[in-house]
Amino acid sequence: DTAVSQTPKYLVTQMGNDKSIKCEQNLGHDTMYWYKQDSKKFLKIMFSYNNKELIINETVPNRFSPKSPDKAHLNLHINSLELGDSAVYFCASSQVDWRETSNNEQFFGPGTRLTVL
Amino acid sequence: DAKTTQPNSMESNEEEPVHLPCNHSTISGTDYIHWYRQLPSQGPEYVIHGLTSNVNNRMASLAIAEDRKSSTLILHRATLRDAAVYYCILRAYNTDKLIFGTGTRLQVFP
Repeated sequence: DTAVSQTPKYLVTQMGNDKSIKCEQNLGHDTMYWYKQDSKKFLKIMFSYNNKELIINETVPNRFSPKSPDKAHLNLHINSLELGDSAVYFCASSQVDWRETSNNEQFFGPGTRLTVL
Repeated sequence: DAKTTQPNSMESNEEEPVHLPCNHSTISGTDYIHWYRQLPSQGPEYVIHGLTSNVNNRMASLAIAEDRKSSTLILHRATLRDAAVYYCILRAYNTDKLIFGTGTRLQVFP
């Protein structure tokens, strides 16, 4: 059983198109995230959702819109794709717990490699 | 956000111990030290975390300096499967936000 799954694994598209990446977790977690890893392998958080509410939004262009239909899903929709959007996008989830000793371990999906031509 | 500094790369032979250092001189008293690793073509995975005391789990050990300005991830017997990029991350106690740096690329030779 895959804990955090993403579809598609690869996405090749033209500049200006609109595309979506889907993410699902079957861990029962209440928080989900999207990260972007660019060509230099720098991994940066984009968004986090807790119980379907946006918690973190890291200065991401508004062409990127996360949508959480329920706790188990966090999809990423990208409008008007640009060359610079080419990257690997990772979804993650965790069970956030604010007790001081908590780990809040994040579980990552396998990634979606987006190529914009 | 407090920063971490790690060597760009390290090498090890299989079945030898590996000590991966991390400097975090601006760490605050309530920052947790987390280690994640990213195997080739995969998403990151949690390795270990700690606050002040040394920690052990089935994957690794974490040694934290007394002043908390540095820490070391210890892999007791490296295997080929341990070849990955290892990220040392500081997480504030009141957030779940992980800020990844450039990490250390560990190569393991047979």
